[in-house]
Amino acid sequence: QSVLTQPPSLSAAPGQRVTISCSGSSPNIGNNYVSWYQHLPGTAPKLLIYENNKRPSGIPDRFSGSKSGTSATLGISGLQTGDEADYYCTTWDSLNVGRVFGGGTKLTVL
Amino acid sequence: EVQLVESGGGLVKPGGPLRLSCAASGFTFSSYSMNWVRQAPGKGLEWVSSIGSSGGSIFYADSVKGRFTLARDNAKNSLYLQMNGLRAEDTAIYYCAREIAAAAGLDYWGQGILVTVSS
Repeated sequence: QSVLTQPPSLSAAPGQRVTISCSGSSPNIGNNYVSWYQHLPGTAPKLLIYENNKRPSGIPDRFSGSKSGTSATLGISGLQTGDEADYYCTTWDSLNVGRVFGGGTKLTVL
Repeated sequence: EVQLVESGGGLVKPGGPLRLSCAASGFTFSSYSMNWVRQAPGKGLEWVSSIGSSGGSIFYADSVKGRFTLARDNAKNSLYLQMNGLRAEDTAIYYCAREIAAAAGLDYWGQGILVTVSS
């Protein structure tokens, strides 16, 4: 059971917008930055969003991040088949004194 | 170009030791905190350990505390994870990752190295 809760799976059609939620609590999301990653099997995870809503260089603005209270959200607009992947949120947990990951969300682009 | 290259993985018997290394290049290694993250077969990402830029402030996941030791050698641009008392549940791909800034996110990752614990 992960400290951060994500929906296990989501599906949407190409061109649509999807949001992936990440729910936590005060010691983690409530008081620390959230980052988001895209992970394809057999490859290194890729940073999509850091410090809640910042995009690293090279990440298209189709990807966006937000945080409110103890929850965070990753938005992906203009879905492409290449966006099919597992998506993870993570943050620092001040109570457990360590980084925590969500369980991951498998995104299917139909 | 930032590169992180893990090595030292392989097959080890339960209870045995293994030492993973991560060779860094393309950036000032001594300026960044570093992490190990793993993914067990069919499971999600799990944070293992992190170390501050100077080698202080080391943290471990409860699942590895007391068995794993994280260290770094800034002169050699290298990160080390000494794993003792390995268990079947430690079987995973282990990734070395750089932290952008304190708890901000992990911006560069290695390709990962497989550790298999089995008799």
